[in-house]
Amino acid sequence: AQRVTQPEKLLSVFKGAPVELKCNYSYSGSPELFWYVQYSRQRLQLLLRHISRESIKGFTADLNKGETSFHLKKPFAQEEDSAMYYCALSGWNRDDKIIFGKGTRLHILP
Amino acid sequence: DAGVTQSPTHLIKTRGQQVTLRCSPKSGHDTVSWYQQALGQGPQFIFQYYEEEERQRGNFPDRFSGHQFPNYSSELNVNALLLGDSALYLCASSSERQSYGYTFGSGTRLTVV
Repeated sequence: AQRVTQPEKLLSVFKGAPVELKCNYSYSGSPELFWYVQYSRQRLQLLLRHISRESIKGFTADLNKGETSFHLKKPFAQEEDSAMYYCALSGWNRDDKIIFGKGTRLHILP
Repeated sequence: DAGVTQSPTHLIKTRGQQVTLRCSPKSGHDTVSWYQQALGQGPQFIFQYYEEEERQRGNFPDRFSGHQFPNYSSELNVNALLLGDSALYLCASSSERQSYGYTFGSGTRLTVV
């Protein structure tokens, strides 16, 4: 079964502290993996894709195929990082649907 | 470019009624996907339209149907509304001809009473 699991509904982190949002997935094969973010009163938007290996807004995510994980990390949290974060996966065909996790609310404490 | 636009933004319907939600994709995009996001949940895939045909469908009953028009805009129809259909409905557009990129609309908040 194709599934994305985000074990934490809420994560509170002090400003300047490291952030790690956990994501585990289940998929037969090698999926394409993403992190989406939704800031307050804004629409859902793509944060990063695992194949691009980019660092966006200081966030990185490493794919661990052995542990089927794709955790999102940032070394120093900023207040503007407070948002809902969704881990998601898809197949590699253009018509493959994106499957989302339930999301983790990241709250940066001052 | 206005990106993906959805209408209406909010809607209140009575149980048993029917509803139509609308989506205009981002300029240059030809594929539209619909998602349902219940409170506290991640978006759940409903279906995807390309070339005016439904080509992928999630685990939703036949009460959920859709349509795509020649200008790539799309409608989501829900018949015989249930209280459990209350959710945020998101539309996402993408392009077959470009590298990956889903652009989401702001959604339509449907409340069934």
